[in-house]
Amino acid sequence: GQNIDQPTEMTATEGAIVQINCTYQTSGFNGLFWYQQHAGEAPTFLSYNVLDGLEEKGRFSSFLSRSKGYSYLLLKELQMKDSASYLCAVIDNYGQNFVFGPGTRLSVLP
Amino acid sequence: DAGITQSPRYKITETGRQVTLMCHQTWSHSYMFWYRQDLGHGLRLIYYSAAADITDKGEVPDGYVVSRSKTENFPLTLESATRSQTSVYFCASSGDQGDTQYFGPGTRLTVL
Repeated sequence: GQNIDQPTEMTATEGAIVQINCTYQTSGFNGLFWYQQHAGEAPTFLSYNVLDGLEEKGRFSSFLSRSKGYSYLLLKELQMKDSASYLCAVIDNYGQNFVFGPGTRLSVLP
Repeated sequence: DAGITQSPRYKITETGRQVTLMCHQTWSHSYMFWYRQDLGHGLRLIYYSAAADITDKGEVPDGYVVSRSKTENFPLTLESATRSQTSVYFCASSGDQGDTQYFGPGTRLTVL
């Protein structure tokens, strides 16, 4: 079966660092995506990991451990505009379909 | 403008009526997808298409019909709407299998 877990909600302070975790158990693995979704808007692409390790892109970094079925998204120097939901998605064994986690709603407080 | 668009953005309908949600992309992407997003479930795949005239079921296809006669369009039809189909529907496209998916703005559908 397919199972992806993320914390439902997180709160952090402006300027701080926050780590959003994603654990997965899926039928095969061909890569993992992180998306950001502001309330009432479409998901937008943040990062992609297919090999173990850290991918850095500005204030955002994403880490993957395939052996542990685990990824995290690290957001540095938090800004108010980072208040959004963060979706983890795994590419399934067929290599074309995404399986999305339930999303983590992040609130950044002043 | 280039990109992916959906129409209508908001729709209210009644139980039993047929509703069609439209999706159009200008990137000539091969793959297109329909998702629904509900509180507590995240994004769930309804149908997808690998190319014109090729469609396949996703996780929650019951009650929905799709077609893809042209590469750029991927309409989703609810043949007889039910209240359980009240949701936000997102269309997405990607250039190849496993590539980044780009999402349309969504259609908020309410079935009374």
